Amino acid sequence: QKEVEQDPGPLSVPEGAIVSLNCTYSNSAFQYFMWYRQYSRKGPELLMYTYSSGNKEDGRFTAQVDKSSKYISLFIRDSQPSDSATYLCATKGTNAGKSTFGDGTTLTVKP
Amino acid sequence: DTGVSQDPRHKITKRGQNVTFRCDPISEHNRLYWYRQTLGQGPEFLTYFQNEAQLEKSRLLSDRFSAERPKGSFSTLEIQRTEQGDSAMYLCASSFRGNEQFFGPGTRLTVL
Repeated sequence: QKEVEQDPGPLSVPEGAIVSLNCTYSNSAFQYFMWYRQYSRKGPELLMYTYSSGNKEDGRFTAQVDKSSKYISLFIRDSQPSDSATYLCATKGTNAGKSTFGDGTTLTVKP
Repeated sequence: DTGVSQDPRHKITKRGQNVTFRCDPISEHNRLYWYRQTLGQGPEFLTYFQNEAQLEKSRLLSDRFSAERPKGSFSTLEIQRTEQGDSAMYLCASSFRGNEQFFGPGTRLTVL
């Protein structure tokens, strides 16, 4: 079993919809939680970086972490066709150098 | 552009050949990471450096793989005697003191 599990989708929504992307993780030592967006054949782009439990908002994006259930979420409001990409969740421990990634959820936002 | 840069962007090689990739991190980032990503998978950690010291290596990093970061600036990843299973996107990332990791565009390796 992978340390970070993510529903691969694909997920297809109409423009303007609210999108919910989710991951679960198994290692309670994970303290930092990230969401990356990756377009086809490009490197991952950091969207959100959060520490421990709680919510963090940045424009149309909200990241939510629930450490008690080891569940992390990314919400995208007013989704746009340009949001069509693969979304990767990632976690890491306090002193760890490496990040551990899920396998990504592919999102398509239709005009 | 002051982001992470990688060279080459695409490398095609024949099985058994050696290849070397370069990564230039964001200026003043003291940590540099290498990951490998195959189609439909998330990036898998290979190794990371703090300044010039290689602090962690994944067991994925076989003896055919070696990474260096001389002088704590750019880094190189070499794969010797390439195999078809080495075909993947090789991603480099950098961070300042272990915080947010910013990725480069990747080097796509195709082994024929």
